[in-house]
Amino acid sequence: AQRVTQPEKLLSVFKGAPVELKCNYSYSGSPELFWYVQYSRQRLQLLLRHISRESIKGFTADLNKGETSFHLKKPFAQEEDSAMYYCALSDNYGQNFVFGPGTRLSVLP
Amino acid sequence: DAGVTQSPTHLIKTRGQQVTLRCSPISGHKSVSWYQQVLGQGPQFIFQYYEKEERGRGNFPDRFSARQFPNYSSELNVNALLLGDSALYLCASSWSSRVNGNTIYFGEGSWLTVV
Repeated sequence: AQRVTQPEKLLSVFKGAPVELKCNYSYSGSPELFWYVQYSRQRLQLLLRHISRESIKGFTADLNKGETSFHLKKPFAQEEDSAMYYCALSDNYGQNFVFGPGTRLSVLP
Repeated sequence: DAGVTQSPTHLIKTRGQQVTLRCSPISGHKSVSWYQQVLGQGPQFIFQYYEKEERGRGNFPDRFSARQFPNYSSELNVNALLLGDSALYLCASSWSSRVNGNTIYFGEGSWLTVV
């Protein structure tokens, strides 16, 4: 069965510290992996997807098929990064979009 | 661009009642998906519609149904409401049904409370 796990409900780091939000998945096949972010009082929005291999707002994520992981990383956290982060996977047709439970990132001054 | 719009934003229903939630996708988007987000959890996929046809269904009972209209707007209906249906219901739209190279945009959601 498809599943996404995010082991940390809450992650607190100090401004300027590195941050890593963990995501592991189980999926039979080749899924599309995503990170979505929800800032306070805003709607859920796409942060990045593995297929584009891009860096958004300093965040990167590498798909590790051997470890079935898609951890989100940023070398120097900023206060404005404080938000709820969801890892998600889908088949290519968007018919089985599965979200993880989310990790709340709190960047302390 | 107004983005994905949903209505109502908040509503309260009693057990056993029926509810209809509405969603207008971004102009030009033909795919609409519905998600249920219970407090403290990530969104759970309910349905996807593309070109007025159901393309995907999550693990939800038959009390949940949806449809898409010729203008690509969509309604989600839930019958015989249970307390456990209390959640934020999110609508998302995209240009096509494929996720490869396609961005999905979410609405702000409809908060449903069942008492």
